[in-house]
Amino acid sequence: AQKVTQAQTEISVVEKEDVTLDCVYETRDTTYYLFWYKQPPSGELVFLIRRNSFDEQNEISGRYSWNFQKSTSSFNFTITASQVVDSAVYFCALNRRVLYNQGGKLIFGQGTELSVKP
Amino acid sequence: DAMVIQNPRYQVTQFGKPVTLSCSQTLNHNVMYWYQQKSSQAPKLLFHYYDKDFNNEADTPDNFQSRRPNTSFCFLDIRSPGLGDAAMYLCATSRAGLAGRTSTDTQYFGPGTRLTVL
Repeated sequence: AQKVTQAQTEISVVEKEDVTLDCVYETRDTTYYLFWYKQPPSGELVFLIRRNSFDEQNEISGRYSWNFQKSTSSFNFTITASQVVDSAVYFCALNRRVLYNQGGKLIFGQGTELSVKP
Repeated sequence: DAMVIQNPRYQVTQFGKPVTLSCSQTLNHNVMYWYQQKSSQAPKLLFHYYDKDFNNEADTPDNFQSRRPNTSFCFLDIRSPGLGDAAMYLCATSRAGLAGRTSTDTQYFGPGTRLTVL
């Protein structure tokens, strides 16, 4: 079975603090893709990053960084020096193997609501 | 800018009155998805189109239908909305990978339509 678990339902930090959002996944596939999306209060899901199962290098993009560890089936997301604009719900997702004539299907975690206070 | 557009952003309908939500895209992607997202939950896939091929999820109620008249447009029809259908409806697009392989493609989401049923 394919499953994504985000154990942290809500996190509250003060501006400029660093914060890590946890994501643990389950899959039997050897090839898969992991994603993070941000959903601000406006509702739109904004793509942040995609990672394939063969690339375990960490990635940094500005204040954002991602740590992918296959050994622990985790794909954690860290925001450095958080800002109020980072307040949103963050979803981790796994791309399930598809059949012919189908698009990729995302398996979402339940989301972590991050609140950054000034 | 290439994007996914949803209209209207807010829709109010009456119990049992048919409603249609629309989605258009300028990304020229071959796959279009419809998700339902209820408050504090992850998005739930209703169905998707791979080109003209319709793929329904097993647990999507018959009350929900979809049409894709061309590559750019996709519609979600709710034949007889109930109070439980009040939700955010998200459209997404992707370019599918090779048949039979795990799709590498990122899904890009529109801003969503928030449906209220009175």
